[in-house]
Amino acid sequence: GAVVSQHPSRVICKSGTSVKIECRSLDFQATTMFWYRQFPKKSLMLMATSNEGSKATYEQGVEKDKFLINHASLTLSTLTVTSAHPEDSSFYICSARSGAPETQYFGPGTRLLVL
Amino acid sequence: GENVEQHPSTLSVQEGDSAVIKCTYSDSASNYFPWYKQELGKRPQLIIDIRSNVGEKKDQRIAVTLNKTAKHFSLHITETQPEDSAVYFCAASQTGFQKLVFGTGTRLLVSP
Repeated sequence: GAVVSQHPSRVICKSGTSVKIECRSLDFQATTMFWYRQFPKKSLMLMATSNEGSKATYEQGVEKDKFLINHASLTLSTLTVTSAHPEDSSFYICSARSGAPETQYFGPGTRLLVL
Repeated sequence: GENVEQHPSTLSVQEGDSAVIKCTYSDSASNYFPWYKQELGKRPQLIIDIRSNVGEKKDQRIAVTLNKTAKHFSLHITETQPEDSAVYFCAASQTGFQKLVFGTGTRLLVSP
């Protein structure tokens, strides 16, 4: 149980385009999902907390107009990287809360490369 | 806000040895402490967690200890195997505040 999927697993795009990443909880309802960014050999950096039916809460320094988050249902949250630039290239991982108040389960991640 | 420090950054052991990774946290209100294992290019996977109402928790070869007074917690892996090689992250959070604050990670290498 507590499976989280993420799509796509890899994406290559041109600078200036937008990219949408989906995060789904497959066997549970997730009222809260989280979006992280991870640089090579570094820790997970929380970008935003996504609550179903309400606006996302962004961490300090994260541009909400650049990283659009939508949590339209209890099983789906999306992250859209708008007007992507090479510096946005990174590993993006989502997680979802299940059952226990704090337990988070992670998706497999999306590797974004902006050319 | 919460700050989590993790040591060591790298740890090399021989197969069969024990490995210990330590984390300290700053916010005394934190009460949930999970540990995640991340293999290269893969998702972090929860391996064990502990809440502040207990001092120790064990699951087969893995154990976690918590010292609330000193605000530190540790991961202990006994009888290490090559497949234990990965990056391990500790984290801390408060009930009701939802978000996890992660440590910087420890790269564990178990040599056959």
